[in-house]
Order: sequence, then structure tokens, then C-alpha cells
Amino acid sequence: DIQLTQSPSFLSASVGDRVTITCRASQGISSYLAWYQQKPGKAPKVLIYAASTLQSGVPSRFSGSGSGTEFTLTISSLQPEDFATYYCQQVNSFPRTFGQGTKLEIK
Amino acid sequence: QVQLQESGPGLVKPSETLSLTCTVSGGSIRNYFWSWVRQPPGKGLEWIGYIYNSGSTNYNPSLKSRVTISLDTSKNQFSLRLSPVTAADTAIYYCARDERVTMGVYYQHYMDVWGEGATVTVSS
Repeated sequence: DIQLTQSPSFLSASVGDRVTITCRASQGISSYLAWYQQKPGKAPKVLIYAASTLQSGVPSRFSGSGSGTEFTLTISSLQPEDFATYYCQQVNSFPRTFGQGTKLEIK
Repeated sequence: QVQLQESGPGLVKPSETLSLTCTVSGGSIRNYFWSWVRQPPGKGLEWIGYIYNSGSTNYNPSLKSRVTISLDTSKNQFSLRLSPVTAADTAIYYCARDERVTMGVYYQHYMDVWGEGATVTVSS
């Protein structure tokens, strides 16, 4: 199975900050990576697919980059509604696997 | 707009069968991939498997011997069966549409529509 390791696991930031979350794959996955946001008590919501393609309706302050084994999710200017847990998921091979999650908290 | 809704028992006894159904409304179940994902309390996400329109499936090997995903196009539903269950199967179970898009000569997948989740507790 392909292991995805996110860093950091916890992140404390303020409204207006620029934040970056990293996802590293245990082997190359080209651009077969998606990013999801999950708020407490809610289902995940896709933000980015194909490593860098913004899902329709997602604010442009979210962006994704990377290929191969290292990927990043960047939020250019944090908004109050962005405080949540973020997961990466690889869709390069089976079984599909998720990173362990990054919890973004208000400083 | 497509919506998904999980349904099924919230409490299952150890060694018995967990059965959940996902009803698709606002669109057809045909020509899409349909997934199940679970989340144990306070933990991360685990992909269980998916089924395609044709009935072909792909399961997580960690669950493969215990899991079955099926499709009922006449009811616009797909289902999950997990047997036998243990306390480790206690989780929120989500159904999701697995969108496949063509990008160049390749396909990309992502889960774009999710149900609200069904909490299943395994306990005697």
C-alpha cells in the first residue's frame, strides 16, 4: 500500500495567515492526489484533485501543487471558515489511501 | 443536484453483519463509480471500496474477505455489507460518488458528492 504522511499533524494559525500543508507519498504517484477538508460532524469535501485542479465552487485562496512524492496544499489567506481538518488521498493505485490528517486550529 | 443518504442499523452485535444502503437522489446511479469510506471515532479516513455501473468492484485488501458492495440500479441505491464485525468496525460510514474525469490520456478520480454519514456501533 502507498503510505501518505502529512505534515504538520497540527497547525495553529491566525485569520489572514498563509499556510501550507505537505503530503509525502511512500512511492511516486504522479499527480494522482486529491485534497479534502472536513469540519467537525460533517462529511469531507473535495478541494483539489489531480494535485492542482481546483474543484468547482472552492475559493481561489486554496491551491495545490506537486507531483511524484511531494505535494502541498496552500491557503493564501486564512478565513474563519477554513479552520478544519485536511486530508490528502492518493488515487494512483489500490487501495486508495489517505494521509493521517492535518488539524488546522485558530491561534 | 445529486444527494446521497446512508441508511441502516446504528447498532450491530459482534460477529454479525453490518448492512448499509446509500440512496442516490437528483441523478442517475448509472455511469459512475460509488464508494464507501469509514472513519473510526476521533480518527482518520479509510477507503473501503467502490463499485462501478457494470458491477465491477475494488475493495481494500484489509477488509476484502469481509466486505461486499452491490448496486441496485432499479432503486438508485448501492449497498455495503461487512461480516463478521468486531468492535474495531465501529465508525462513521460515508457513501460517496467517485467522479472520474479525463485529463489528457489519463483518468483522475475524486469523491465529489458525499452522504452525511451513518454512525455504526458494534457492541453486544
